[in-house]
Amino acid sequence: SAVISQKPSRDICQRGTSLTIQCQVDSQVTMMFWYRQQPGQSLTLIATANQGSEATYESGFVIDKFPISRPNLTFSTLTVSNMSPEDSSIYLCSVDKGLAGEQYFGPGTRLTVT
Amino acid sequence: EDKVVQSPLSLVVHEGDTVTLNCSYEVTNFRSLLWYKQEKKAPTFLFMLTSSGIEKKSGRLSSILDKKELFSILNITATQTGDSAIYLCAVGVLKTSYDKVIFGPGTSLSVIP
Repeated sequence: SAVISQKPSRDICQRGTSLTIQCQVDSQVTMMFWYRQQPGQSLTLIATANQGSEATYESGFVIDKFPISRPNLTFSTLTVSNMSPEDSSIYLCSVDKGLAGEQYFGPGTRLTVT
Repeated sequence: EDKVVQSPLSLVVHEGDTVTLNCSYEVTNFRSLLWYKQEKKAPTFLFMLTSSGIEKKSGRLSSILDKKELFSILNITATQTGDSAIYLCAVGVLKTSYDKVIFGPGTSLSVIP
């Protein structure tokens, strides 16, 4: 199994600012995933990050708002840019175990935008 | 559009009860049906099902998949207060180079003493 850490675990930010969330995995993985979970909602995939290539964004998410970096096989960052209160969510990174979709999740970052 | 539906959306039971959570799906390029438990922030993996009719069990939890009817159930017997959580059903679908996971809305289970 993979051990995944995320920083920060929570933050309160002012609207118009940006926050970068870090995700570190204890082993090398090909694909990393970033999800958003808005209050009372289920998980929605933001983008898939493959090392050495541009992230693939899901419908409704754009690179200018959620830039992603994937500099190596154990690390990724997600930036939430020009934040508004609607960005208040839990942001989760995950890695694929390689078994038809089974994924391990990081502990999540709870973001509140005021 | 790929879709995962769960019912009920919320459920309150007493300790010792047995509960059945339902999940149905409509997706293209099905690979797997997954169940997760979410207590605080991070979902934890429970089961992955890929074949119809084969029950997977872990303690008091069990799950089965019907690929013909596009349906899965998660059973929890002799519920305990520690079972209180959101149970997420998800479906893995094959994309060009990876498996994308689509989550349902979740069932919020509350077990009261």
